[in-house]
Amino acid sequence: KQEVTQIPAALSVPEGENLVLNCSFTDSAIYNLQWFRQDPGKGLTSLLLIQSSQREQTSGRLNASLDKSSGRSTLYIAASQPGDSATYLCAVLQGAQKLVFGQGTRLTINP
Amino acid sequence: DAGVIQSPRHEVTEMGQEVTLRCKPISGHNSLFWYRQTMMRGLELLIYFNNNVPIDDSGMPEDRFSAKMPNASFSTLKIQPSEPRDSAVYFCASRDAGGPPDTQYFGPGTRLTVL
Repeated sequence: KQEVTQIPAALSVPEGENLVLNCSFTDSAIYNLQWFRQDPGKGLTSLLLIQSSQREQTSGRLNASLDKSSGRSTLYIAASQPGDSATYLCAVLQGAQKLVFGQGTRLTINP
Repeated sequence: DAGVIQSPRHEVTEMGQEVTLRCKPISGHNSLFWYRQTMMRGLELLIYFNNNVPIDDSGMPEDRFSAKMPNASFSTLKIQPSEPRDSAVYFCASRDAGGPPDTQYFGPGTRLTVL
């Protein structure tokens, strides 16, 4: 059974810092890996999607990497801003359409 | 497009009552997913439909839970009878099989509290 783990569970940093969120998964037979953002009281928003054959994806200040063989992914956020405060979820796609989520990292950026 | 629409946004009920959660997927999407999010277990897939047909309901916790999709624009998740341990946020998501690779679009969720 696939298990997805995210470390740390919570992170608080001052504005402007670069930071890394970690995600690990136990079964490397995945179709892709996604990073989502969740704001309180709202649904999930997809940030980045990395196909199993890719190593990284970038969008603005966000960069996600994937090492499928070791079962690891990282989300790098450059020059953090208070608006980046949210919970970040990592999810792997297994089978045709089944997303398996980690527990998330609750990020707080302090002004 | 208005995105995935869920109703109600909040539901408070007493143990033993029937609860029905509703979802309207994005128009044109042909896959629909129901998830449950709790502090203990995180976000879990309950069931998903392709072209209105249930494909995998292995995540449905027990017989008290049932889901239907009578047409392409509407789905329900019903809990009967409800129990306090069913308290959670329930998300609906939809996907276009012909769209961007495997991206699901999530609704805002229904926060259910069973007293």
